Amino acid sequence: QSALTQPASVSGSPGQSITISCAGTNSDIGSYNLVSWYQQHPGKAPQLMIYEVSKRPSGVSSRFSGSKSGNTASLTISGLQAEDEADYLCCSYVGSRNFAYVFGTGTKVTVL
Amino acid sequence: EVQLVESGGDLVQPGGSLRLSCAASGFIFSTYWMHWVRQVPGKGLVWLSHIHNDGSKTGYADSVKGRFTISRDNAKNTLYLEMNSLSAEDTAVYFCASGYNYAFDIWGQGTMVTVSS
Repeated sequence: QSALTQPASVSGSPGQSITISCAGTNSDIGSYNLVSWYQQHPGKAPQLMIYEVSKRPSGVSSRFSGSKSGNTASLTISGLQAEDEADYLCCSYVGSRNFAYVFGTGTKVTVL
Repeated sequence: EVQLVESGGDLVQPGGSLRLSCAASGFIFSTYWMHWVRQVPGKGLVWLSHIHNDGSKTGYADSVKGRFTISRDNAKNTLYLEMNSLSAEDTAVYFCASGYNYAFDIWGQGTMVTVSS
C-alpha cells in the first residue's frame, strides 16, 4: 500500500487561507469516507484535527475544515495563524481485508 | 487527564527483540481499539497494527506481519507491542494511539527504538 501523496510544503501569510491536498486511489480515499488529518509540531505527538473527511473533534478550531472529491481529500486552514505552522498528515482507512490504514507523505505549513 | 505513555524503547542489535508498553489513563481503555504507529525522524507516519477492545481481533501492516505482535491487558490498562527479528529499517519513534471512528484521537509521546550494531 503506497503512501497518500501530499505537497511537501505550503505557505501563507497570517489571515490567509491555505489548502492541503491528499491524493489517493479508488482503493483508499475513493472507497471510504474515512479520511483523517493530523497536525504535528516538531518533536511532538500528532493531534487529530479532522476525522471522517470533514468532522472536527471537540476543541479543534473551526478554522480547520476538510473535504473530499473522488480520490483526493483536502484540508483547509482559514485565517492562518502563527501557531498553525506545523506538519500536517492525512490518513485513510483502506478496508478490513487489509486491516490497514495508510498515511500521507506529510506537508510542512509555513506561516510567512 | 487523558493520556497514553509509551515505554520500552531502546538500542537493540539487528535480529534482536524488544517489547514496548503503552500505559493508558483518564479514559475507559477497555472500550477502545488501540493502535501502534511509527515514524522515522523527519519522515511520515506509518500505521503498524491494531487490536480490538477485548483483544479478540488484531491486524498488521505487511511490513511487520509475522515479526510484531500486538496485545493488551485491560485489567492493567496497558497495550503492548512485541517486536522480533528487528532490522535497521525498524528504527523509528513508536507511538501508541487510541482509535476513534477510524481515526487516532489520543496519542502517546512516543518511544524511540534504534536498531544498530
